[in-house]
Amino acid sequence: DTGVSQDPRHKITKRGQNVTFRCDPISEHNRLYWYRQTLGQGPEFLTYFQNEAQLEKSRLLSDRFSAERPKGSFSTLEIQRTEQGDSAMYLCASSSRQDPNYEQYFGPGTRLTVT
Amino acid sequence: AQSVTQPDIHITVSEGASLELRCNYSYGATPYLFWYVQSPGQGLQLLLKYFSGDTLVQGIKGFEAEFKRSQSSFNLRKPSVHWSDAAEYFCAVGSSSGGSNYKLTFGKGTLLTVNP
Repeated sequence: DTGVSQDPRHKITKRGQNVTFRCDPISEHNRLYWYRQTLGQGPEFLTYFQNEAQLEKSRLLSDRFSAERPKGSFSTLEIQRTEQGDSAMYLCASSSRQDPNYEQYFGPGTRLTVT
Repeated sequence: AQSVTQPDIHITVSEGASLELRCNYSYGATPYLFWYVQSPGQGLQLLLKYFSGDTLVQGIKGFEAEFKRSQSSFNLRKPSVHWSDAAEYFCAVGSSSGGSNYKLTFGKGTLLTVNP
């Protein structure tokens, strides 16, 4: 069990470009979550998957954002036409069906800077 | 909608002193409550959690928290702070669906500085 991993750890992009982040959950964790954390704030929920199904999306997830979890394993979060306001830390977490309380384990995050 | 308030943005304590970080929540049902710690460049690490039962919960690194329903509070405590405890601390409430926690709502965090 190597924990939740995220790639890349840092991304600098120019406004208007598209970016994609990847999250690899802990093996066999059926739930996967994305959160966004801006400077001086706590993480904010974006979306979550149970296996390959995306079950809830926050209002924060505008139509420029899309998340997928093909085959219920890793997940990708894509931001199209990035804006400076998208600059944040994007956190991924996963939890296991074996845990009735679905405790969430967080990855190190991907820090996005939009210039 | 659920919410979490951490009234203290920044707290400074001396090493060896006791610590209490405040957390108030708003949630319609019995809450799932969590404290996480985040060190610079690190992900969130779970310190402790409350789902039900004993209202005083013990966590890792010598931390404990007490759930007080009447005050809608879940304050984090440590009797003697170590320099390595310097970090940002987040309180969170979990939303439940079908009896299981699926979404965390975090407070804005409390930054802890430890003086030698």
